[in-house]
Amino acid sequence: RKEVEQDPGPFNVPEGATVAFNCTYSNSASQSFFWYRQDCRKEPKLLMSVYSSGNEDGRFTAQLNRASQYISLLIRDSKLSDSATYLCVPQGGSQGNLIFGKGTKLSVKP
Amino acid sequence: DAGVIQSPRHEVTEMGQEVTLRCKPISGHDYLFWYRQTMMRGLELLIYFNNNVPIDDSGMPEDRFSAKMPNASFSTLKIQPSEPRDSAVYFCASLSLGGELFFGEGSRLTVL
Repeated sequence: RKEVEQDPGPFNVPEGATVAFNCTYSNSASQSFFWYRQDCRKEPKLLMSVYSSGNEDGRFTAQLNRASQYISLLIRDSKLSDSATYLCVPQGGSQGNLIFGKGTKLSVKP
Repeated sequence: DAGVIQSPRHEVTEMGQEVTLRCKPISGHDYLFWYRQTMMRGLELLIYFNNNVPIDDSGMPEDRFSAKMPNASFSTLKIQPSEPRDSAVYFCASLSLGGELFFGEGSRLTVL
């Protein structure tokens, strides 16, 4: 089993749609979890941190299920500007153990 | 703050040549990471340093790859000799105390 698995997509959705991505991880020692966003030909940037069961930031909600070892990202009322690749990063047993998933590509259409 | 600075931004070289990529992390960040990104393999962790000391280099693909961090403000990733399959975008990142990774803009390497 790969350390971090994500559905590669692409997810093609219309503006205003709600879309959800899942990410599963294999390292049960993971304590912190992150979602990064990467625009085409750009570097990844932090979107959200997930430290407990989940948190919400505007249109974005991240949830964590430790028992099943997955995290999810929900985007409500999607905008054209949300088009990007979303990368899941569970932090393993040590602070430097930051392994990225391959990412899920989202394309929001008018 | 200038952010993480990488150079060169683009490099095209021929197979067998030595390639050196450079990185200046954000001041005060104790961790520095080197990642490689390709379409096929995604973003792969190559090596990371804590306080200039290499902690985990298990992601370094072969002995042709080496990384150093002689001081807190500078790191290099060297490929010698380079091969076409090394073509990728190489990212350097440093870690804030809050756990956020800050990436440089990347070095796009093409080996012919």
